Amino acid sequence: GESVGLHLPTLSVQEGDNSIINCAYSNSASDYFIWYKQESGKGPQFIIDIRSNMDKRQGQRVTVLLNKTVKHLSLQIAATQPGDSAVYFCAENRNTGGFKTIFGAGTRLFVKA
Amino acid sequence: DVKVTQSSRYLVKRTGEKVFLECVQDMDHENMFWYRQDPGLGLRLIYFSYDVKMKEKGDIPEGYSVSREKKERFSLILESASTNQTSMYLCASRKTETYNSPLHFGNGTRLTVT
Repeated sequence: GESVGLHLPTLSVQEGDNSIINCAYSNSASDYFIWYKQESGKGPQFIIDIRSNMDKRQGQRVTVLLNKTVKHLSLQIAATQPGDSAVYFCAENRNTGGFKTIFGAGTRLFVKA
Repeated sequence: DVKVTQSSRYLVKRTGEKVFLECVQDMDHENMFWYRQDPGLGLRLIYFSYDVKMKEKGDIPEGYSVSREKKERFSLILESASTNQTSMYLCASRKTETYNSPLHFGNGTRLTVT
């Protein structure tokens, strides 16, 4: 029979527009959050991080927002470019005495020229 | 810049074969990790190592083992490969003193088990 794979959430934006990618995390003990970008054929690359004592952090063209009340993380990309097309993962480090980093399923961003 | 190198980009193995996936990092990082990546499931942790000769199970260790004889090298072993181990395998490293710091990844090994 035919097999059905799991599909990534996707976001399609016009070049030059702002992109917002959202992520929900589950563990209130998590104390550090990271966004990674994965381009085709490569491993994930670090974009930006935020600690749990902050609610906003800005980088170059990227901003991460953390809402601990609703366990929500977002990545905003300003003036999205074709080179931003990739899969974006949020990840959390859990403060449980271990070294685990837990990843979300990812969001695929398409940038239309 | 940290470099994490995985020895093979693509591997094709037969069911029942013993498979070794090798990973080397050049920045003297204590922590090393093996993840597998499957569509829609994100990255799932197989095993990790705090330091040389130390190892801990991750979330999906069944069917895998690891070896960390030298600080820079972390090997993932599939004792008897099965088709459900067809996947992308990603190695990563991180320095211990900065637990709240990002992982550095290699470019992955895509393993197909037939």
